[in-house]
Amino acid sequence: RKEVEQDPGPFNVPEGATVAFNCTYSNSASQSFFWYRQDCRKEPKLLMSVYSSGNEDGRFTAQLNRASQYISLLIRDSKLSDSATYLCVVKAGGFKTIFGAGTRLFVKA
Amino acid sequence: GAGVSQSPSNKVTEKGKDVELRCDPISGHTALYWYRQSLGQGLEFLIYFQGNSAPDKSGLPSDRFSAERTGGSVSTLTIQRTQQEDSAVYLCASSLEGLAGGIRDTQYFGPGTRLTVL
Repeated sequence: RKEVEQDPGPFNVPEGATVAFNCTYSNSASQSFFWYRQDCRKEPKLLMSVYSSGNEDGRFTAQLNRASQYISLLIRDSKLSDSATYLCVVKAGGFKTIFGAGTRLFVKA
Repeated sequence: GAGVSQSPSNKVTEKGKDVELRCDPISGHTALYWYRQSLGQGLEFLIYFQGNSAPDKSGLPSDRFSAERTGGSVSTLTIQRTQQEDSAVYLCASSLEGLAGGIRDTQYFGPGTRLTVL
């Protein structure tokens, strides 16, 4: 079993749609969680950290469920510019950082 | 301020040659990470530096790979006797701290070095 698993997609959604991604992690000692986005042939960029109480940043909402060991990302009112690969990132209290393989999102007009 | 920079941006080499990749982290960032991303794949963690020390080198794919960091700043990743399977994008990231968690642990990536081994 991979340490961090994501549905690779692709998710094809129309503009304005709401889309949700889940990510599961295997190490129960994981302490830090992030969502990054990566555009084609570009470096990953931080989208948002994920906090235990859940957090929101504009159209983006991240949630953490420690009991079930998954994190989620909800995107509301999708824009064309949201098309990218979304990477789930987990750290287990040390330095080793595990990236999921990513979920591809295509937002179409 | 300036972000993470990497050089070269592209490197084409012949099988069996040695290559050296460079990373300049954001000033003041104590933690530095190296990753590898093959075409269409996720990021593979290679090594982490806290200051000049690398606590765990087990992520390096083989003993042909080595990395160092000097002065708590610039890092170099060296691949000896390159093989075709080494072809990938090598990404470097830095963060304020490596173990704190939260915002101080946020990693900022450089643009990567695209390595092609012929």
